[in-house]
Amino acid sequence: DAKTTQPPSMDCAEGRAANLPCNHSTISGNEYVYWYRQIHSQGPQYIIHGLKNNETNEMASLIITEDRKSSTLILPHATLRDTAVYYCIVRLFKAAGNKLTFGGGTRVLVKP
Amino acid sequence: NAGVTQTPKFRVLKTGQSMTLLCAQDMNHEYMYWYRQDPGMGLRLIHYSVGEGTTAKGEVPDGYNVSRLKKQNFLLGLESAAPSQTSVYFCASSYLGSSEAFFGQGTRLTVV
Repeated sequence: DAKTTQPPSMDCAEGRAANLPCNHSTISGNEYVYWYRQIHSQGPQYIIHGLKNNETNEMASLIITEDRKSSTLILPHATLRDTAVYYCIVRLFKAAGNKLTFGGGTRVLVKP
Repeated sequence: NAGVTQTPKFRVLKTGQSMTLLCAQDMNHEYMYWYRQDPGMGLRLIHYSVGEGTTAKGEVPDGYNVSRLKKQNFLLGLESAAPSQTSVYFCASSYLGSSEAFFGQGTRLTVV
C-alpha cells in the first residue's frame, strides 16, 4: 500500500470549512484513497473513499488531484463534534483481507 | 443491530496472566480484525480473518493468538501478558467487497 503524509495537527473554526490535506505521491493506478476519523476514545469511523473523481456524501467531500498524488478531505461546516484524529489511507479496493494501514493521522481541533 | 461489540471494555492483568478478548459482530461480515493502539499512535493490525476457521498475521502478531470458530466471533488471546501489551485493542469487521470497516468501542488493557 502507498504511504501517506498528513500534517500532525490543525485547528479550524466552528462553522467554517475544514480542509484536511493528504499526500500520497507513490499511489498506484488502482489504489483508492480512504478517510477515517477517530473521535477521542472511540473506534475509527469510515468517512469517504475515492479513486480519481471527487466524491461527496453526507459527512464530507473528497477532492483528489488530477495526478492523484494528493487529496483533500473537506468538512463543509465543522462542528465541535468533528474534533477528532483524521486518517488518510491508500489501499487497493479489494486488497487481501481488506486490511487498513493507519498512520499517525491529523489531529483536528474545532474551536468555538 | 449492535454492530461490533467488544468484551470486556476494561481489564487489568498481572504480568504472566492470560486472557481472551471477545469480538462479536451481527452484520454477517466475512472479514474481522484485531488492532492495537498505543498512546498517540495510529492503529496497528495484530491478526485478521477472512472467514470462519481462517486467520492470518498482521503487522504486530507476536504474543497474541486468535481464533474464528464462528463467523460472528473473533477471539484474541494473550497467553502470557507483558507490560508491553498495555494498549487499547480495537476489533473491526467488513464485508468481502466493501470499502467500509466497522469498529468496536475498544478494550482498554493494562498489564502491571
